[in-house]
Amino acid sequence: DAGVIQSPRHEVTEMGQEVTLRCKPISGHDYLFWYRQTMMRGLELLIYFNNNVPIDDSGMPEDRFSAKMPNASFSTLKIQPSEPRDSAVYFCASSFQGAREQYFGPGTRLTVT
Amino acid sequence: SQQGEEDPQALSIQEGENATMNCSYKTSINNLQWYRQNSGRGLVHLILIRSNEREKHSGRLRVTLDTSKKSSSLLITASRAADTASYFCATLWAQKLVFGQGTRLTINP
Repeated sequence: DAGVIQSPRHEVTEMGQEVTLRCKPISGHDYLFWYRQTMMRGLELLIYFNNNVPIDDSGMPEDRFSAKMPNASFSTLKIQPSEPRDSAVYFCASSFQGAREQYFGPGTRLTVT
Repeated sequence: SQQGEEDPQALSIQEGENATMNCSYKTSINNLQWYRQNSGRGLVHLILIRSNEREKHSGRLRVTLDTSKKSSSLLITASRAADTASYFCATLWAQKLVFGQGTRLTINP
């Protein structure tokens, strides 16, 4: 398996623009997680899905953030409008059964100017 | 907060020495996991220890868990330059992993 795939790997955008991050989990995994990593706040869970259904989005910072999982092999995290404080590395991870180890993608480094 | 805290924040040792990192957490857990993150990369799962286990080994890694003290330790024996990375403990609580701030380990040749 290719592992968790994320795109793009790097994204530079201007404040106010819409940003869409994409993730393809490992085939057969039933949990998908979106994290954000910054120096100040460390690694934060934003939202997670089980069988394509959002279970807990309490980590989503604001209404500007939204996430979808239309099918078992694809998820998106959208920020609209983006702000400089959204600059971070965003990771997607998947797992088989929620209590087990998670497999992380390479991350998307987002810079909002 | 459930967040684990690693200690030390940074550790620098010579190649071949053993490295020990500690993790403390605050509430009950289902399991505790350790992850490694190389610079600019995603996290890689190293080892999982369940709440009813006290010690676990995987290659050069040894993890202990003391639920009475709410603490865990990760020992890397015979360190190598390739072990240079950040190491995170993560506690599983309500189906969510909560990560600590990490220990930055540097192995000097």
